[in-house]
Amino acid sequence: QVQLVQSGAEVKKPGASVKVSCKVSGYTLTELSMHWVRQAPGKGLEWMGGFDPEDGETIYAQKFQGRVTMTEDTSTDTAYMELSSLRSEDTAVYYCATGEPYGSGSNFDYWGQGTLVTVSS
Amino acid sequence: QSVLTQPPSVSAAPGQKVTISCSGSSSNIGNNYVSWYQQLPGTAPKLLIYENNKRPSGIPDRFSGSKSGTSATLGITGLQTGDEADYYCGTWDSSLSAFNWVFGGGTKLTVL
Repeated sequence: QVQLVQSGAEVKKPGASVKVSCKVSGYTLTELSMHWVRQAPGKGLEWMGGFDPEDGETIYAQKFQGRVTMTEDTSTDTAYMELSSLRSEDTAVYYCATGEPYGSGSNFDYWGQGTLVTVSS
Repeated sequence: QSVLTQPPSVSAAPGQKVTISCSGSSSNIGNNYVSWYQQLPGTAPKLLIYENNKRPSGIPDRFSGSKSGTSATLGITGLQTGDEADYYCGTWDSSLSAFNWVFGGGTKLTVL
């Protein structure tokens, strides 16, 4: 069973950056394809990007390209999502999510508990 | 504006059946598996249906999924008050010369 535990809530000023972590247990990060999804208050789910195992690269949603960086530390089985140039519209709960190890990559079986990022001056 | 279109809300009485539609195109639903997620208030989404019509272990058979062409449907029978939640469909999309995961806008289910 995969478990994903995320870092705590953050409050940032406009223009700053935030880095959210997602610690994996039950499997190693190399066995998973980690993705990040966010949800603004009262809004729907929005995919930000994730690891594509077919070409071994991280793909980002066009909306966030140039502003988001997703990295992994395989020594600690921790995934990171860093979002820069924050603005008020980035206030949201950020989730890490992944499918079954070596799965089809067609769904997200496991989700972190979410990290609230508040952007406010 | 979501690439996948869902009704904003549906409602039904306890014990009844409800369906939630998810409409897309050939660049997403038409050529990829669809999954469905349930999000109870204040919690992370939970996988309900994967690969169009399969249920993960622990999901009751009151929940079902189907796909036809460029549309998918989530069905819930024997509605319970605990089913009140937001429901999202999701799939891969290749319409922007790249693969992106897309979610529907979400449907709020009210059990009257």
